Amino acid sequence: GAGVSQSPRYKVTKRGQDVALRCDPISGHVSLYWYRQALGQGPEFLTYFNYEAQQDKSGLPNDRFSAERPEGSISTLTIQRTEQRDSAMYRCASSFLTGANYGYTFGSGTRLTVV
Amino acid sequence: AQTVTQSQPEMSVQEAETVTLSCTYDTSESDYYLFWYKQPPSRQMILVIRQEAYKQQNATENRFSVNFQKAAKSFSLKISDSQLGDAAMYFCAYRSARYSTLTFGKGTMLLVSP
Repeated sequence: GAGVSQSPRYKVTKRGQDVALRCDPISGHVSLYWYRQALGQGPEFLTYFNYEAQQDKSGLPNDRFSAERPEGSISTLTIQRTEQRDSAMYRCASSFLTGANYGYTFGSGTRLTVV
Repeated sequence: AQTVTQSQPEMSVQEAETVTLSCTYDTSESDYYLFWYKQPPSRQMILVIRQEAYKQQNATENRFSVNFQKAAKSFSLKISDSQLGDAAMYFCAYRSARYSTLTFGKGTMLLVSP
C-alpha cells in the first residue's frame, strides 16, 4: 500500500482479554518495527522483523506480548491477558531495508485502552 | 544504553518567529544518526529532518535546520518563520549505525500563536 496501515485505530478491551493488533507495511518493505507510546512519552521499541524473521524482541515487556510476521508482510502484535498498564498507543513502522540509511515510515497507530 | 533527553516539555512561538527545540543524547558510539519527528494531532509520526553523525555540516530542510554539536552530544532543531501548522509534539530520536532501533526523547510540545 501507499503507507503503513494499522488496525484497528482504537481498541477498548476488558482486563484479562487478549488483543491482536495488525500492521500492514508498505509493499516491498523488508523491515517492520513495533513501538509502544505511553501518554506523554516518546515511543519505545518493542520488536522488529526482517522478512518473517524476528530479529530483536528485547523490548517486549513480558511474555504476555508476542509478535509474528509469518509471510514477511503483515504483522500481528498480540497481548494476552491484558492489564490496565498495557493501555498505550501501539505504533508500527516499516523500512525498505534494515540499516540506519533507510528511514522509517510510521503508521498512525492503534490506541489501546484496557478497562 | 543510549538515552535521549528533551528538557523542554513545552515551547511557545508566534507565527513568523523562530524557535529552537533542544535535544541532548548520551552514547559511547561514534557512528549514529539523529532525527527529529513531528507528531501532530492527527497522530502521525512525520520525519522532519535527519543528521548523520559523520557529517559536520548541519542538515537543513526548508524552514527546518539543526545545530549538531557532536562533542557536546547536542542536536537542536530550529524552526524559522513558524507557521500554525508547525504546532505539534516534536520528538528527537537516536539510531545507532549498528542497530535498527530508534531511541526517542519524551518530546516537546510546540504551541504556535497567531
